[in-house]
Amino acid sequence: GAGVSQSPRYKVAKRGQDVALRCDPISGHVSLFWYQQALGQGPEFLTYFQNEAQLDKSGLPSDRFFAERPEGSVSTLKIQRTQQEDSAVYLCASSLGASGSSDEQFFGPGTRLTVL
Amino acid sequence: AQSVTQLGSHVSVSEGALVLLRCNYSSSVPPYLFWYVQYPNQGLQLLLKYTTGATLVKGINGFEAEFKKSETSFHLTKPSAHMSDAAEYFCAVSDQAYSTLTFGKGTMLLVSP
Repeated sequence: GAGVSQSPRYKVAKRGQDVALRCDPISGHVSLFWYQQALGQGPEFLTYFQNEAQLDKSGLPSDRFFAERPEGSVSTLKIQRTQQEDSAVYLCASSLGASGSSDEQFFGPGTRLTVL
Repeated sequence: AQSVTQLGSHVSVSEGALVLLRCNYSSSVPPYLFWYVQYPNQGLQLLLKYTTGATLVKGINGFEAEFKKSETSFHLTKPSAHMSDAAEYFCAVSDQAYSTLTFGKGTMLLVSP
């Protein structure tokens, strides 16, 4: 497909479990973003990659959150020792240009994480 | 720091009526402004964006928005609502140095026959 894909679409975890969320951006897109969308809220920025470099991780809520994009394409967001407050939809977006461009961000369908 | 305020978590209109969704922003630098639409269980889709130039921006599906610097507003309008417009709409801002988006809390648009 030509769009951004994310897997899994739904994830249920027990509190304390580790989870890994995958994002496949549009091929050739330089920039990749992760956002967290809590129920009834707008998406909130988590982290930004330009190719394989993580240029901004100021939005990660705690050191339990870790993201990587080792080859500048697929990205993984990992959450260790999940807590109930981590329950949200995690959105991935990619854009063609580098930071500072006004290129459109294309969003994936999101992964809905529920922590019991 | 940037912020976005969307007035009204829910807006209800009748089919064929004017749609007006309000967005005000704060930014210390000239902003880029965006409107996204989100249908249930789908990702966000860009409706339109303002970067520079003409302050009246036209987007997809008949939507348009006007950047008013003096009012720090970027309200979204559509002359005639259609049932398929029912969705959640998000206003967002980014500064010109970085690309990360700051979103409002969203407005759910309800369209009745």
